[in-house]
Amino acid sequence: QSVLTQPPSVSGAPGQRVTISCTGSSSNIGAGFDVHWYQQLPGTAPKLLIYGNSNRPSGVPDRFSGSKSGTSASLAITGLQAEDEADYYCQSYDRSLTAYVFGTGTKVTVL
Amino acid sequence: EVQLVESGGGLVQPGGSLRLSCAASGFSFSSYWMSWVRQAPGKGLEWVANTKQDGSGKYYVDSVRGRFTISRDNAKNSLYLQMNSLRAEDSAVYYCARDVGSGSTDVWGKGTTVTVSS
Repeated sequence: QSVLTQPPSVSGAPGQRVTISCTGSSSNIGAGFDVHWYQQLPGTAPKLLIYGNSNRPSGVPDRFSGSKSGTSASLAITGLQAEDEADYYCQSYDRSLTAYVFGTGTKVTVL
Repeated sequence: EVQLVESGGGLVQPGGSLRLSCAASGFSFSSYWMSWVRQAPGKGLEWVANTKQDGSGKYYVDSVRGRFTISRDNAKNSLYLQMNSLRAEDSAVYYCARDVGSGSTDVWGKGTTVTVSS
């Protein structure tokens, strides 16, 4: 079981805004370690969506944004599109485990 | 084009060994940390190991430490994962990925599948 907890699923209609939470602890997010977010479309490798809590790699639409506060982080998707249907994972470092850890993953469904 | 291509996966019996390879192209391989990440069927992502640019530092998740060894050959632009004493729970798609800081990985291969079964 991962030390970073995400909701199993979120859904929204096209055009709506959805948020995905990533809840950690004082050993990881709360310790100040960066949070990154990945999108994984069905049958493909993950794609880096957000790095360093809130930075977007070039080519990632500004509909995707990340934030971090305390022991949690969030990914927001505004103007939801059908192509956003995918699994999303957060990632950080855990100093107790001395390892990078991924969140449990969230499936986004566009209604 | 920046690319990572994994190979070496397959079916192996419990207790067996396998060596995965990852061929990098289109970027200065020796300038980057590199990672292995795996995904069991229908499950989430799990970071497995990473290594520094010159291979001097190697780090592992607890579940593979002592059984798996990450290595690299910068002259061949290649990353490796030697997997020994394989268990059923090691069955997964193994991805090679380029680390660009704090564990974030911006380039991924398509993955190679490892199945541990008798």
